[in-house]
Amino acid sequence: QVQLVESGGGVVQPGRSLRLSCAASGFSFRSYFMHWVRQAPGKGLEWVAVISYDGNEKQYADSVKGRVIISRDNSKNTLSLQMNSLRVEDTAVYYCARVTGYDFDSWGQGTLVTVSS
Amino acid sequence: QSALTQPASVSGSPGQSITISCSGTSSDVGSYNLVSWYQQHPGKAPKLMIYEGNKRPSGVSSRFSGSKSGNTASLTISGLQAEDEADYYCCSFAGSRTWVFGGGTKLTVL
Repeated sequence: QVQLVESGGGVVQPGRSLRLSCAASGFSFRSYFMHWVRQAPGKGLEWVAVISYDGNEKQYADSVKGRVIISRDNSKNTLSLQMNSLRVEDTAVYYCARVTGYDFDSWGQGTLVTVSS
Repeated sequence: QSALTQPASVSGSPGQSITISCSGTSSDVGSYNLVSWYQQHPGKAPKLMIYEGNKRPSGVSSRFSGSKSGNTASLTISGLQAEDEADYYCCSFAGSRTWVFGGGTKLTVL
């Protein structure tokens, strides 16, 4: 059974940093591209970042490019998102998601990041 | 990376059919048969309902179907049931390893 469990969310001041993690189990983690998708309170879904099987390919949404870094540790079945220079508009639930083909077929339960002074 | 355009809300009575549109551009929806649809109940994670435009994952009811014409994709739910009440999001691959979601549509079953 596929399981994705995010952690690391919390309340942080604008300009500070936060690192999110996603623990994967129940599937061959190293065989899948992985993504982060976020959802601001009461708003829609927003794609954030993707990383390839081996971590060599990464891509980011324009809204976070230059401020976040996606990474993975296939030996620990863990996906991470390092978020720097956080802004109020980064406040959201952050989901990690597995992609099969081009579709998000498994999602975690999300971790809430609140950026506030 | 502009969001795809969906109606904010749609509604229908039990047993009826509804269609949710998802309008993109020639750079995303129009360029790829890679539109997916997600159902999200309040406080829950999204669930994949349709992939590659018109394919259903195992376990998803045949009442859900997808289609595309030009730069617009659509999700149709037939035989509406109370449990279908949720938010629905379309998503398209947009090239260069980027994806874009729609703004979401709230479905109300009357």
